[in-house]
Amino acid sequence: GQQVMQIPQYQHVQEGEDFTTYCNSSTTLSNIQWYKQRPGGHPVFLIQLVKSGEVKKQKRLTFQFGEAKKNSSLHITATQTTDVGTYFCAGNEGGKLIFGQGTELSVKP
Amino acid sequence: NAGVTQTPKFQVLKTGQSMTLQCAQDMNHNSMYWYRQDPGMGLRLIYYSASEGTTDKGEVPNGYNVSRLNKREFSLRLESAAPSQTSVYFCATRKGNNSPLHFGNGTRLTVT
Repeated sequence: GQQVMQIPQYQHVQEGEDFTTYCNSSTTLSNIQWYKQRPGGHPVFLIQLVKSGEVKKQKRLTFQFGEAKKNSSLHITATQTTDVGTYFCAGNEGGKLIFGQGTELSVKP
Repeated sequence: NAGVTQTPKFQVLKTGQSMTLQCAQDMNHNSMYWYRQDPGMGLRLIYYSASEGTTDKGEVPNGYNVSRLNKREFSLRLESAAPSQTSVYFCATRKGNNSPLHFGNGTRLTVT
């Protein structure tokens, strides 16, 4: 079955530094979704990428979908303390949404 | 408009006990999902229901059963709880296959 790998597992940055998390699928994805989970909370949808090579931006967040639709990345420019949390990618396989292990981001003020 | 409601919020079980986790949604979504979250393991799919009347296994179905009671409700049952089932359980729903998931607040389950 489909596997979704995400790295790194943890990232500690100084406020103002950039952050990137990478997601790789064992199979070609129809689309990929990204979620953020604040400490003690539940995952919240951020964005969906559908097209090969697609790039989408949300303020300081940039999301990319690879040309082969098997990998994706999330880049945060100039992190802030409000960015703290765990970021998950998730790939669609039929009716199932399979999540990566997540990258936990901590930001030191 | 509550969205996705999970009950209970917390539960402690002894090994061998049974319980049912409840999930109800008022979003008129077709698909419902049960995930478990463990440190370092991300969110792992237990079972899902693509539409009313259907259920399918996910990545880690062993030790669990589900019931899609109607369009609104999707329950997860542990027949004989084991310590390995200590986890945070999330119910989620979505309109269709390419839609985003909406999560409940989770049930924190401890099995001793």
